[in-house]
Amino acid sequence: QKEVEQNSGPLSVPEGAIASLNCTYSDRGSQSFFWYRQYSGKSPELIMFIYSNGDKEDGRFTAQLNKASQYVSLLIRDSQPSDSATYLCAVENRDDKIIFGKGTRLHILP
Amino acid sequence: EPEVTQTPSHQVTQMGQEVILRCVPISNHLYFYWYRQILGQKVEFLVSFYNNEISEKSEIFDDQFSVERPDGSNFTLKIRSTKLEDSAMYFCASSVIGSGGNYGYTFGSGTRLTVV
Repeated sequence: QKEVEQNSGPLSVPEGAIASLNCTYSDRGSQSFFWYRQYSGKSPELIMFIYSNGDKEDGRFTAQLNKASQYVSLLIRDSQPSDSATYLCAVENRDDKIIFGKGTRLHILP
Repeated sequence: EPEVTQTPSHQVTQMGQEVILRCVPISNHLYFYWYRQILGQKVEFLVSFYNNEISEKSEIFDDQFSVERPDGSNFTLKIRSTKLEDSAMYFCASSVIGSGGNYGYTFGSGTRLTVV
């Protein structure tokens, strides 16, 4: 069974601090990795994708990938109240199917 | 910004009835998907569709489910005889597969299906 695991939270972070979200995956052959943001009652919205080991930065967001450890993370710098949402880690397996984790609820404290 | 459009936004149906959920993917996308999310649970893959046929389906996608691309723009999910446990948010998604991997899916705003 190919799994994507995330801590469900909630993760509470003060406004302006760095939020760190983590994800592990079971399929060692996974090719691509994604972070989606989902507001309550809304559809998932793509924030970042990463293919190669290391860091990828886009504005306040940094995705980190370590394929040896099967670990993906998302850092959000200068957290804002509007960042409060559920963050979904998603992994594309060898069969080209994207599998989602359950998501981590992030709450930014004003 | 191109969008994936889903209709209706909310559908209430009686158990045993057939429902059709509709989606208009982004026009230059080639790969289409249906996912569902039961309230409070994770987004689950149902089916992928490419070149007018199903390329992958999950265990959830049993004989009660079917997909169709009846014309060049619409992509539909039909549930033949709905059950209470089919109540969920159904998301359509589409993607362009770029070189080096999948750039991720663009999701529609979803159809909330309530089976009573």
